[in-house]
Amino acid sequence: AQKITQTQPGMFVQEKEAVTLDCTYDTSDQSYGLFWYKQPSSGEMIFLIYQGSYDEQNATEGRYSLNFQKARKSANLVISASQLGDSAMYFCAMREAHGGSYIPTFGRGTSLIVHP
Amino acid sequence: SAVISQKPSRDICQRGTSLTIQCQVDSQVTMMFWYRQQPGQSLTLIATANQGSEATYESGFVIDKFPISRPNLTFSTLTVSNMSPEDSSIYLCSATGLDNQPQHFGDGTRLSIL
Repeated sequence: AQKITQTQPGMFVQEKEAVTLDCTYDTSDQSYGLFWYKQPSSGEMIFLIYQGSYDEQNATEGRYSLNFQKARKSANLVISASQLGDSAMYFCAMREAHGGSYIPTFGRGTSLIVHP
Repeated sequence: SAVISQKPSRDICQRGTSLTIQCQVDSQVTMMFWYRQQPGQSLTLIATANQGSEATYESGFVIDKFPISRPNLTFSTLTVSNMSPEDSSIYLCSATGLDNQPQHFGDGTRLSIL
């Protein structure tokens, strides 16, 4: 079974609109971390936002926020006021504490295209 | 946040040859990883580079094909051995500290095998 599921292969959004990218995860660990990364066409992986499993507040970083619903095991990324430069692949990732090794797992990614 | 320098950034190699990719981090990190990414695909973890000991390989990856070294806390190498066209991919180095710290990535090595 996949540990990270991103069900949206591609998403389109109008510039200045908000968009939500879905991510669900599967773990039996109590302690884990959830991350979102952006990968533009140039290929670099850019860290966007982090949510810890014990964090009670949803994480926010500028225009990025993470809608963390622990009971539903979802960690959706919300991008507000989309910009053309937001067009990229977005990956959800999780780190679990497997005996302290914290092996990371990535989802398949969502391709976001922002239209002018 | 850690800055990761990875080189070469790209290479075109002949079938049957080997290439070593270097990864240098500007600060001491706990964990270093090597990933492979096919175009339009997600990242596939090759192995965790362990300082001073053998790397921990994921299923489908073996040391003879992808030997990895990590002599200290800030440097690692990945060798792609006896390359074939199926090895054409992007190879990414990544590093991180504690569990709530993000992984940082190098810019990747775009490898093509003729």
